[in-house]
Amino acid sequence: KNEVEQSPQNLTAQEGEFITINCSYSVGISALHWLQQHPGGGIVSLFMLSSGKKKHGRLIATINIQEKHSSLHITASHPRDSAVYICAGASGGGSEKLVFGKGTKLTVNP
Amino acid sequence: NAGVTQTPKFQVLKTGQSMTLQCAQDMNHNSMYWYRQDPGMGLRLIYYSASEGTTDKGEVPNGYNVSRLNKREFSLRLESAAPSQTSVYFCASSVRAGHTEAFFGQGTRLTVV
Repeated sequence: KNEVEQSPQNLTAQEGEFITINCSYSVGISALHWLQQHPGGGIVSLFMLSSGKKKHGRLIATINIQEKHSSLHITASHPRDSAVYICAGASGGGSEKLVFGKGTKLTVNP
Repeated sequence: NAGVTQTPKFQVLKTGQSMTLQCAQDMNHNSMYWYRQDPGMGLRLIYYSASEGTTDKGEVPNGYNVSRLNKREFSLRLESAAPSQTSVYFCASSVRAGHTEAFFGQGTRLTVV
């Protein structure tokens, strides 16, 4: 069974701090999605990666296939980064089903 | 560019009532999905449609039916609502499954009393 585990569940930071959220996944998952869910409830896709590293603004996502681990980093965090961050794994072979982690609730205080 | 549009945003039902949640995407995506989100649990797949004319069960399909009306629209029906179906429902779409970016609707908060 494909599984995705996130840590930490909750994270509180001060504005400007460097943030890391971790995601471990089981054998069989070949691509990882990072999603952001704001307090209003909407979900936005941040990254989809199957190898290496991607960067968008202050957000960086990395994946280590051998260790089955992905990280989401936020540099120079800001209160507007406060949200729930969700990782989701996709199996290979054209599987239709994403397996979701339970999310990490990030609060950035000014 | 609307992306993925879900209606309604909020709904309160009495136990036993039926309703249909509507979802439409304007990105010409092949795959569409219905998820539910409950406190303390990750998003769980109810049903998905890999392409127009096909639908398949996900992790938690009991109590739900779906229709892929055309490439744009994918509806979720609750025939006889139960309190256990109180949840936030999300529709999503992607070009194809898993390995392409997923786009989500704004969600429907459903309460069954």
